[in-house]
Amino acid sequence: EDQVTQSPEALRLQEGESSSLNCSYTVSGLRGLFWYRQDPGKGPEFLFTLYSAGEEKEKERLKATLTKKESFLHITAPKPEDSATYLCAVQRGYSSASKIIFGSGTRLSIRP
Amino acid sequence: DTGVSQDPRHKITKRGQNVTFRCDPISEHNRLYWYRQTLGQGPEFLTYFQNEAQLEKSRLLSDRFSAERPKGSFSTLEIQRTEQGDSAMYLCASSLGGPGTVNQPQHFGDGTRLSIL
Repeated sequence: EDQVTQSPEALRLQEGESSSLNCSYTVSGLRGLFWYRQDPGKGPEFLFTLYSAGEEKEKERLKATLTKKESFLHITAPKPEDSATYLCAVQRGYSSASKIIFGSGTRLSIRP
Repeated sequence: DTGVSQDPRHKITKRGQNVTFRCDPISEHNRLYWYRQTLGQGPEFLTYFQNEAQLEKSRLLSDRFSAERPKGSFSTLEIQRTEQGDSAMYLCASSLGGPGTVNQPQHFGDGTRLSIL
C-alpha cells in the first residue's frame, strides 16, 4: 500500500537555526514527489516537484532533495515567517496517476 | 485573482441537512480535484475530473457524496444527510493534465470549512 510518513510531527527552532524535515515514502512507481506549505486556515501552497533520485530544488531558504526512499526539506537560517505546516505528497505512475497521497505534515515553528 | 476559488469559506449546518460547495479552478486547468482534510492530517483524495468526466472516486466518497463538473469549468460537491463525521475542511485543487503534463503540480484553493452541529 502506498504510504507517506513525515517526521518530526512538530519542530520548534530558533530564528537562524537550520534543520531538515523528513518524508519517507513507499509507492509503486514514483512519478513525482511534491512539497507544499500550508498556513492555518489556508489551502496548501505548492513549493517543489521532484521526479528522480538525486534531484534537488531550491527556493529562498528551502532546499528539497530526493532519494529512492525519502525526501528531505532543508531549511537554512529560517525566519519567523517560515512558520507553517510542510506537507509532502507522492504521485504514483500507474492507473491512478492523478491522485496524490499526502503525509500528515510537519508543523514548523520559528521563534524570533 | 487567478487562483483556485472556493465558496463558501465556512459552512455551519445541522446534522441531516444537505450542503453544497463550489469550486472555480484556474481557468486554463482541465483537471479538478476534491480533497478532505481533518485537523492534524494531510489532505485525503476524494475524486477528480478531467474536463467534465469524473475519472476516479475514492472509497472515502460514500453514496451521500456527489460531485459534478457539468461544463468542464466549475465544480460542485454535495453532501446529503450530513453526519458529525463529515466535519472537515474540503479542499479543491486544479492542474493541467494529459499527455506530457502528468507531473504538473496541483494548485489548491483555501477550502470550505464544514461544521456539523
